[in-house]
Amino acid sequence: DGGITQSPKYLFRKEGQNVTLSCEQNLNHDAMYWYRQDPGQGLRLIYYSQIVNDFQKGDIAEGYSVSREKKESFPLTVTSAQKNPTAFYLCARSTRSDTQYFGPGTRLTVL
Amino acid sequence: AQTVTQSQPEMSVQEAETVTLSCTYDTSESDYYLFWYKQPPSRQMILVIRQEAYKQQNATENRFSVNFQKAAKSFSLKISDSQLGDAAMYFCAYRSALETGGGADGLTFGKGTHLIIQP
Repeated sequence: DGGITQSPKYLFRKEGQNVTLSCEQNLNHDAMYWYRQDPGQGLRLIYYSQIVNDFQKGDIAEGYSVSREKKESFPLTVTSAQKNPTAFYLCARSTRSDTQYFGPGTRLTVL
Repeated sequence: AQTVTQSQPEMSVQEAETVTLSCTYDTSESDYYLFWYKQPPSRQMILVIRQEAYKQQNATENRFSVNFQKAAKSFSLKISDSQLGDAAMYFCAYRSALETGGGADGLTFGKGTHLIIQP
């Protein structure tokens, strides 16, 4: 699994609901990232975290929230404030160098 | 802000031939990293190759090599002896070498090139 897992693989949400996407890594890496991918697009950064209990907004953080209570876990909550949440969500890990390695992704669909 | 442009939405190549995917980027920084990622139908993002801007030597990984032209801000990917398993979306990505806010920022991606391999 490349040291990083995401669950669930598919997630369905009713409008107005918050949902949480899981991302776990077992390689003791400091940095973790959340990206969003829309059809025909590259990835866009939502949030990232370099250390426990600290995280930074990316380019499209509105309507999302994160936490980093443990080094191995970086869950993403998609809130009801996110106007267009249907997308593919990818989590990544890295050391404090440069290369990011991605999880398998979660496909979120709003019903 | 940095931008990454992939001008070829789709490319097609015959199996066993060579294909080059284009990528240009815009930045005012002198130190950064560039990457090519592959995304097959499974949608898993897989690292193909990595280039450090301060290294003049072009990176190579088996059948994959890059042509890094720093002055022109160009970073093309060459795939030699194309195989059916190479069929995928290919994304070019940029990362600053600067650390801001106590840590490193994320990657900036292009929109991707869909590579088709003809048997």
